[in-house]
Amino acid sequence: EPEVTQTPSHQVTQMGQEVILRCVPISNHLYFYWYRQILGQKVEFLVSFYNNEISEKSEIFDDQFSVERPDGSNFTLKIRSTKLEDSAMYFCASRPGATGSYEQYFGPGTRLTVT
Amino acid sequence: KQEVTQIPAALSVPEGENLVLNCSFTDSAIYNLQWFRQDPGKGLTSLLLIQSSQREQTSGRLNASLDKSSGRSTLYIAASQPGDSATYLCAVSPHNQGGKLIFGQGTELSVKP
Repeated sequence: EPEVTQTPSHQVTQMGQEVILRCVPISNHLYFYWYRQILGQKVEFLVSFYNNEISEKSEIFDDQFSVERPDGSNFTLKIRSTKLEDSAMYFCASRPGATGSYEQYFGPGTRLTVT
Repeated sequence: KQEVTQIPAALSVPEGENLVLNCSFTDSAIYNLQWFRQDPGKGLTSLLLIQSSQREQTSGRLNASLDKSSGRSTLYIAASQPGDSATYLCAVSPHNQGGKLIFGQGTELSVKP
């Protein structure tokens, strides 16, 4: 069964460093998402991406964040200058296009630790 | 602003019991509602999706209902098993464009053998 994959599973970085989290969505899906979950808190929406552009972003998704789909398979989240409060589990998700199911499929997550 | 609340925060039951998890949302203008399972330190596994026009969905021992007008959904788990132990998350999508999900804080379920 097709699944969303994410790399790395765990990333440790120092405050102020740039990180890139990578995701490979399910191959025929057209909508892509990033969410994050700070330890002990709710899963929070960051950004949605469709047709090679951001369709919606949350207040969390400020100028320090960016997303890119550099080729036909990868979907990346970049944090330019990490802060301690960026430590969280980051989940990528995808779903089919408008004529398909609205069910979102999540990857296993990347645990980001900022020291 | 849409808020999603799940009650109870934690639940412990003996194996074999039927149980109900509750989810409420403040704005009834949703496009769909999705239930997920999350194991400790792991990703989210989709269990059921209910469109706003539907009243319920079933998958195996799971049955999810939706009462959009009252802002409530329930997840019914029949004949619970220790393998059902996990955190169950409810999430609503406010609209079909983009389709972001707004999550509740989850119910941590423990099924004792």
